[in-house]
Amino acid sequence: EIVMTQSPVTLSVSPGERVTLSCRASQSVSSNLAWYQQKPGQAPRLLISGASTRATGIPARFSGSGSGTEFTLTISSLQSEDFAVYYCQQYNNWPPCSFGQGTKLEIK
Amino acid sequence: QVQLVESGGGVVQPGRSLRLSCAASGFSFSTYGMHWVRQAPGKGLEWVAIISFDGSYKYYGDSVKGRFTISRDNSKNTLYLQMNSLRAEDSAVYFCAKEASSTWYYFNYWGQGTLVTVSS
Repeated sequence: EIVMTQSPVTLSVSPGERVTLSCRASQSVSSNLAWYQQKPGQAPRLLISGASTRATGIPARFSGSGSGTEFTLTISSLQSEDFAVYYCQQYNNWPPCSFGQGTKLEIK
Repeated sequence: QVQLVESGGGVVQPGRSLRLSCAASGFSFSTYGMHWVRQAPGKGLEWVAIISFDGSYKYYGDSVKGRFTISRDNSKNTLYLQMNSLRAEDSAVYFCAKEASSTWYYFNYWGQGTLVTVSS
């Protein structure tokens, strides 16, 4: 099973800042990597698939990059609605698919 | 618009059973594989099970294998999860999720979740 590791676990940032979240796979997953956003009490929402393709309706301030084992999600200018938990998920080698443990974006 | 609505959660004693349902609408249910993903309180996401579009292929996570059964009724646009021999560690919000394509198993739509609490 591929293990996904996200860093940092928690990130305190101010609105308007640029932030980069990291996700590392224990072995190559090619570009088969998705990012999700989850707010309290809500279901996850797909942000990015294929490591860099924004899902329908996702603002351009969200961007993804990487391939192989190293991936990043960048939010260019944090908005108040972006404070949430972000998960990466590999779908290259499965079953099972595997999620990272999440990165929580907090307001500084 | 795509809608996934889970139901069937509740409080159940260890060792007992529970069946979850997920009613789907707004897309051609019979042409997509479907998944269950769970989230223990305050924890991350854990994939539970997959069923192919026609029900011919099923696979389970190690933590539920042999105890949970995924199924679907395409005539009713409904996905199910039969959970037997429940344990305290099965307590979680259970989400049904639609796969984005038959080739790549990431999830473009999720239900709102149903809470299962296993406690005596």
